[in-house]
Amino acid sequence: GAVVSQHPSRVICKSGTSVKIECRSLDFQATTMFWYRQFPKQSLMLMATSNEGSKATYEQGVEKDKFLINHASLTLSTLTVTSAHPEDSSFYICSASKGQGFNSPLHFGNGTRLTVT
Amino acid sequence: AQTVTQSQPEMSVQEAETVTLSCTYDTSENNYYLFWYKQPPSRQMILVIRQEAYKQQNATENRFSVNFQKAAKSFSLKISDSQLGDTAMYFCAFMTYSGGGADGLTFGKGTHLIIQP
Repeated sequence: GAVVSQHPSRVICKSGTSVKIECRSLDFQATTMFWYRQFPKQSLMLMATSNEGSKATYEQGVEKDKFLINHASLTLSTLTVTSAHPEDSSFYICSASKGQGFNSPLHFGNGTRLTVT
Repeated sequence: AQTVTQSQPEMSVQEAETVTLSCTYDTSENNYYLFWYKQPPSRQMILVIRQEAYKQQNATENRFSVNFQKAAKSFSLKISDSQLGDTAMYFCAFMTYSGGGADGLTFGKGTHLIIQP
């Protein structure tokens, strides 16, 4: 079946540094990828929608200059947390859409636990 | 904007019992899709069941079924013959399609389901 790979699964970085998270669709071309954030014991919140070859669409309240999204190919989207701060510590999950119809379900990556010290 | 409400933060039932998780949503859209996702401690998002709003027939997947009441904007999940492996967070989610592509999911706050042996 379709698989979405997210890397790294865990990352610890120092405050002020940047960290990149990758989301790859392994056996299908993903026209659209989504990035979510999940705080402990809370729900997933959509951060942005990433479309291949175009600028990402950010949800209200998400700083686009802080959370840089690049979708350079149909199989790879990256989320870069720039100048990370401890409050950016969270669980980040990507999902990929195989097509444009309802019968093309969303596939989720395994998530990345970011800890900023 | 869409909202999804799960009013049961936690539920606990005995193994083999039937349990129903509630979900209501609010939207002005007529065409949309509803999902239930399971998130075990591994935090992998697992699709349990999905429903197209234009279909009146309730979706079923083995032990999992939904009660979709479009007029009431209600989408409950019934788990029959519950198993220990069903213990997880369950999220109700809503999605629309626009511009030819999927929009991101809007999630409820989740219900922590505990199956007791």
